[in-house]
Formats: sequence, structure tokens, C-alpha cells
Amino acid sequence: DTAVSQTPKYLVTQMGNDKSIKCEQNLGHDTMYWYKQDSKKFLKIMFSYNNKELIINETVPNRFSPKSPDKAHLNLHINSLELGDSAVYFCASSPRTGGVDEQYFGPGTRLTVT
Amino acid sequence: GIQVEQSPPDLILQEGANSTLRCNFSDSVNNLQWFHQNPWGQLINLFYIPSGTKQNGRLSATTVATERYSLLYISSSQTTDSGVYFCAVEQQGGSEKLVFGKGTKLTVNP
Repeated sequence: DTAVSQTPKYLVTQMGNDKSIKCEQNLGHDTMYWYKQDSKKFLKIMFSYNNKELIINETVPNRFSPKSPDKAHLNLHINSLELGDSAVYFCASSPRTGGVDEQYFGPGTRLTVT
Repeated sequence: GIQVEQSPPDLILQEGANSTLRCNFSDSVNNLQWFHQNPWGQLINLFYIPSGTKQNGRLSATTVATERYSLLYISSSQTTDSGVYFCAVEQQGGSEKLVFGKGTKLTVNP
């Protein structure tokens, strides 16, 4: 029983392409997040959603567009991919509304842009 | 914004040794969490510890919020403890986001 799942696990694509990463949680949590981990392992929040509503947009370029069709899903669409977008993208969820509760991470999606 | 500093950046141990990892933060926090990222990349939540002390098996953590630091203790280390340990905090005032430190990379040799 996977709590937070992401697809795909690996994504290799060329500059200029558009790609999506999907995330699903079966924990019944209210809040979901996208994080980016760079080549130096630094983790930084990109977005958070609470019950399908955008809460945090951490000055991410407009090429990144999150979409939450329901509170169990948070997808990330990236337009016009650039070399600098290469990273590992993690989805996470937490139970509480308001404030940050314990976070549960998905396995990550390693994006490589060539 | 809040700054989170972890030390040491790298730590190499022999199996069976004990270790202490430190996390300093520059402002008051609502909560603090410790995570372990294993060599396969999976991030696991170890402790949710805004203050006080918690223990889970060979691992324990203490946060002294008034002095703005937290410690993670690993006793009788095993090779499976290898990986990167991250401290993350939510700044007081309702930022609703975690800010991560740069991590401590732990290598436990057999």
C-alpha cells in the first residue's frame, strides 16, 4: 500500500518539450506539496495545495503549473523545459489544514533535460 | 526568511559508533522535523519535534526551541543508517512551509 505515489519515476526529455508528473496520496490528507531537490541535494518547496486550493507558490517560473483535480491528487505540468529544470521532484502530503504537520514524501521523479 | 544550518556537513562512522547531528535555526519556529534520505533517494520522516525529546529505537531527538537548536542522536549505528539527514523548520508566524537545511551526509562503514 503506497501512501504517496508519483509517476513517472524517471523522465528524460529534450529542451523545449512539455512534460507532466503525477502525484497521488491515499492517506486522506488535506495538504499536498511539490518540492525540488537540486544536484547538491538542496530541498526547496515549490507549491502547496490545501483541498484543491493553492496556498503557496514559491516564486516558481510560470512554466510550472500545478493542478489539483481533487484533494488526493496534485499534478505538476512543466512547459518549455530548460536544462536548469533537471532535478528530482518530490510530492508530499500532510494531514492538517493550516500550519505544517508531519510530511510524507513520495519516491521522487528524476527529471533530466538534455 | 529563516536560516537553517546543519552540522557537520559530512560524517563517517564505523558500525556500532554513536553520533550527534545538530540543527541551528535563526528564528522562532512552529515546528521542526527530521528526515532521513536513504541512498536510493527516499525521504522518511523521523521526528516531528517542535520542542522536547522523543525517542524511536536507536534514534532520539531533542529540540530546545528557546535556544534555537535541535539535536539528532544515533546510537549503535548500522550501515542502513547511511544517507543524508535533513532538518526542516516552519518559521513562527504561519509561513505554512518547511525550510530545509542543507543536510548532514552520514556514511556508516561495516
